[in-house]
Amino acid sequence: DAGVIQSPRHEVTEMGQEVTLRCKPISGHDYLFWYRQTMMRGLELLIYFNNNVPIDDSGMPEDRFSAKMPNASFSTLKIQPSEPRDSAVYFCASTLNTEAFFGQGTRLTVV
Amino acid sequence: GQQLNQSPQSMFIQEGEDVSMNCTSSSIFNTWLWYKQDPGEGPVLLIALYKAGELTSNGRLTAQFGITRKDSFLNISASIPSDVGIYFCAGQLRGSSNTGKLIFGQGTTLQVKP
Repeated sequence: DAGVIQSPRHEVTEMGQEVTLRCKPISGHDYLFWYRQTMMRGLELLIYFNNNVPIDDSGMPEDRFSAKMPNASFSTLKIQPSEPRDSAVYFCASTLNTEAFFGQGTRLTVV
Repeated sequence: GQQLNQSPQSMFIQEGEDVSMNCTSSSIFNTWLWYKQDPGEGPVLLIALYKAGELTSNGRLTAQFGITRKDSFLNISASIPSDVGIYFCAGQLRGSSNTGKLIFGQGTTLQVKP
């Protein structure tokens, strides 16, 4: 398996634009997590899914953020409208049982 | 909310020295994990701990799951320059409402002087 695949690796967008981040988890993994990493806050859990169902979205900062997992092999994190304070590295991770494997992240810059 | 307190925040050591870092929480965890993150990459799993009191090694790395299930430590022996990076603890919470939830400590930045 190629591991967790995220796209794009880098995204630069203007404030107010919609941003969609994508994740393909490892095949067979039943949990999928979205994290945001910044210098100030470290790794923050935004939302996680179990068997494609959102379990806890209490970490999603605002209604501007939404996440979906339409099937076991794909998830999206959308920010609409984006703001400069959303600039961060966004990671997707998937697990089977316990051990989480991370993608390489998407570095988002909102100008 | 649930939090993991990781310390120290950063360390600057001489090559060959041993390193120790730890995580504590007020919550009980089913699993403790330790990760390393290199610049521009995602965290990579180093060690996983599943039972209270468990002591596990991976090469020069040793980690333990605290008896109270609320803490864990990671030791690195005889550090080398490639140990440089950010080390994170992570815990999987216990309790039906938290099933599968994985949260991270703030990280320990390690720098090794050759």
